[in-house]
Amino acid sequence: GESVGLHLPTLSVQEGDNSIINCAYSNSASDYFIWYKQESGKGPQFIIDIRSNMDKRQGQRVTVLLNKTVKHLSLQIAATQPGDSAVYFCAETRSNAGGTSYGKLTFGQGTILTVHP
Amino acid sequence: DARVTQTPRHKVTEMGQEVTMRCQPILGHNTVFWYRQTMMQGLELLAYFRNRAPLDDSGMPKDRFSAEMPDATLATLKIQPSEPRDSAVYFCASGLVRQDRGLYTDTQYFGPGTRLTVL
Repeated sequence: GESVGLHLPTLSVQEGDNSIINCAYSNSASDYFIWYKQESGKGPQFIIDIRSNMDKRQGQRVTVLLNKTVKHLSLQIAATQPGDSAVYFCAETRSNAGGTSYGKLTFGQGTILTVHP
Repeated sequence: DARVTQTPRHKVTEMGQEVTMRCQPILGHNTVFWYRQTMMQGLELLAYFRNRAPLDDSGMPKDRFSAEMPDATLATLKIQPSEPRDSAVYFCASGLVRQDRGLYTDTQYFGPGTRLTVL
């Protein structure tokens, strides 16, 4: 029978192309955002983060863009490689949240990136 | 290269048995999180410690799950009795939450996970 579960968005690209993975976040008070990469059988791995006082931040082959007006976050991967194939998660939090909310991340469902050689 | 470590990496057990999962956070980190990941629910936060004190365990089934930090280098997640629906990958993450001109949240770093199968 058909399996029931999360239906993650998927993105398929050719090796060498640029990839853009999008994320809509929910809390307008969130001011710290992180992108994680999760390969099969492994834990989520930190890629890049951005704070709300910035709208763009660049790392090695990756760029994160933040649009607070529409609560949208994107991860751009330049010259995508087969090793970039993974599930990518965005996460958000409020760095000034008090009490038990302090430090808690809210994760998106994830996007599956497949890179074809 | 500092990493979060988790043991065991895989655990297969029978329904009703006790399961204990262990996590060693990155040295110097003051927050520890336990997550569960399934295909149905994605990543769910189960419990959260700051400076070894439990802050939030609202995501955990209280009757069977318990989380503790006996010391700063060890966090445990225990399930007793285990049930087939507990089958999942359990991740521990640690981070450093600093207070500087107000509260300041730092990145969480994940361990490799414990894949639990309850038959």
